[in-house]
Amino acid sequence: EADIYQTPRYLVIGTGKKITLECSQTMGHDKMYWYQQDPGMELHLIHYSYGVNSTEKGDLSSESTVSRIRTEHFPLTLESARPSHTSQYLCASSEYKGQGGGYTFGSGTRLTVV
Amino acid sequence: AQSVAQPEDQVNVAEGNPLTVKCTYSVSGNPYLFWYVQYPNRGLQFLLKYITGDNLVKGSYGFEAEFNKSQTSFHLKKPSALVSDSALYFCAGFSGGYNKLIFGAGTRLAVHP
Repeated sequence: EADIYQTPRYLVIGTGKKITLECSQTMGHDKMYWYQQDPGMELHLIHYSYGVNSTEKGDLSSESTVSRIRTEHFPLTLESARPSHTSQYLCASSEYKGQGGGYTFGSGTRLTVV
Repeated sequence: AQSVAQPEDQVNVAEGNPLTVKCTYSVSGNPYLFWYVQYPNRGLQFLLKYITGDNLVKGSYGFEAEFNKSQTSFHLKKPSALVSDSALYFCAGFSGGYNKLIFGAGTRLAVHP
């Protein structure tokens, strides 16, 4: 079973609302990632972190922001949701490359902005 | 530039037949290569990885993958497909000092009864 948890699983919210997608992992991984994925489509990296107080933007520009105050927690926030933000958001964490580098994914949050 | 390519958007196979999902890579140094599977409305699940050693890697659910350095490929295979294998499959890799996995665009596998 995965040791990385995302809440909520599904969220329908109105335009203009502020939302935070939660992601927590219990594996002690320093590296964490957020991906955006439209249904059945490729993954787009939007944010990543290599440890506490470290955050970087990914390959796909996103209006979301992230924070990493604790190793186990990597929340993603949208200050003002728009219909274009409708998508699935996947959180992942990883071992160091020297440990094999494998990623573990959460189950995702499917966001719908109406 | 480092890249991972999955040349097929979709693969169709009859139940009981062997299946192959193709992946090629372009990375510097020794590649670390992975296969993940995604079922509907779920995150990605790890299937198998190649770091070093035998070119044939065995993974979960009867899947295996063959690393071919000369062809820069890492194709996913299974001797006998099941309908329950129908899902989206992602190949991924990194190498050298590159710190993030590069994912292919995904291949949808459809296994028909």
